[in-house]
Formats: sequence, structure tokens, C-alpha cells
Amino acid sequence: GEDVEQSLFLSVREGDSSVINCTYTDSSSTYLYWYKQEPGAGLQLLTYIFSNMDMKQDQRLTVLLNKKDKHLSLRIADTQTGDSAIYFCAESSYNQGGKLIFGQGTELSVKP
Amino acid sequence: NAGVTQTPKFRVLKTGQSMTLLCAQDMNHEYMYWYRQDPGMGLRLIHYSVGEGTTAKGEVPDGYNVSRLKKQNFLLGLESAAPSQTSVYFCASSYSHGSEQFFGPGTRLTVL
Repeated sequence: GEDVEQSLFLSVREGDSSVINCTYTDSSSTYLYWYKQEPGAGLQLLTYIFSNMDMKQDQRLTVLLNKKDKHLSLRIADTQTGDSAIYFCAESSYNQGGKLIFGQGTELSVKP
Repeated sequence: NAGVTQTPKFRVLKTGQSMTLLCAQDMNHEYMYWYRQDPGMGLRLIHYSVGEGTTAKGEVPDGYNVSRLKKQNFLLGLESAAPSQTSVYFCASSYSHGSEQFFGPGTRLTVL
């Protein structure tokens, strides 16, 4: 089946930029998503990008999509301690009936 | 709006016991999903529903049953719990396939 891969951990200092990477295998992906999960809570949608876009910016968040390499990244500028959480990449496609396929999640730790 | 709610929040079962997890949403969404989250494995889809009275299998359906008798509710049942079903269970709903999924806060289930 289709797969989404992420590295499990990332540690940065407060004020630095964080870059979380994701790779996927489904060449027919239509939407790619970034969800954030804070401790003890469910997932919240941070941002998403349509597959015909290369980049999307939303305040401190920048999403880059390299469709040729099937690589998605999330950059968080001026990372704060409140950004510490697990970040999930997910993709959906018509081939999958629109169901979301999630990566394993990247735990971001922001040190003061 | 309460969004997506789940009951109970925590539960401990003995092997072989049964239980039902309840998910409710007040957003009039057609689509509802049950996921399980295990360390290092991200979210895996158990079952989903594309409308009242319909259910379909996801990635890991074995050992679970579901029902969608009312549009706003999606029930997940474990008929004979096993230790391998120890996990955090999340319910989600969406307006359509591929659109943003809204998640509940999760149910932490331990099977001894």
C-alpha cells in the first residue's frame, strides 16, 4: 500500500527555524496535510497544500512540495516553546478514495 | 459547537471483555473515521463511514466492529478485547473525502 515516512524526532532552540520533512509514495496524491498533536490531545489541522502547488505560506508556516521527489516539508519560523508537539504529515488521493494516509509523526522539542 | 466528542476518555479492560467507544459530532459531517494511534506508527484507520447506515473497513479492521445508525454518531465496538488492542483511539469527521478531518480528544484504552 501507499506509505508516508517522517523522521521521528527534531530538537531546535527557541527562535530558530524548524524544518520537518516527509516523503510519500502515492504519485496520485491530491492533497497533503500537516497536523499538529499537543500532549494528551487530538490532531489539529495546521495547513495543507494542493498537489499542483509548490509552496504555501501562512504566517510562520511555510510548506514546500517537490512533487517529482514526492517530498513535503514544513518550516516553522521563529520556533517557540509552544510549538513543541508531534507533527503529522498526511496525504489523500482519489486512488485511496480520499482516505488520509498518515506518517508516523515527528516529535518537535523546542529548548529555551 | 462541541465539534467531535468521544466517550469514555480512559478505560481499562481485562482480556476477553467487550466495550463500545462512542463518537459524536455536531457539524453535520457525512464522513466519520476511527483510528488507532500506537507509538512510532502514526495513525492507522480502523473503519470509516461515508454516511448514515454505511460502514467500510480501513487498514486494521480485525477485532473491531462499527455502526453508524445516526449521522452524528459513530460507534466502535470491541467484542473480545486483546492486549494488542491497547492503544489510543481517535475519532474524526469530515465534510467529504479528502477535506479537513476534525479529531476528537481520544480514548486511552488499556487491555490487561
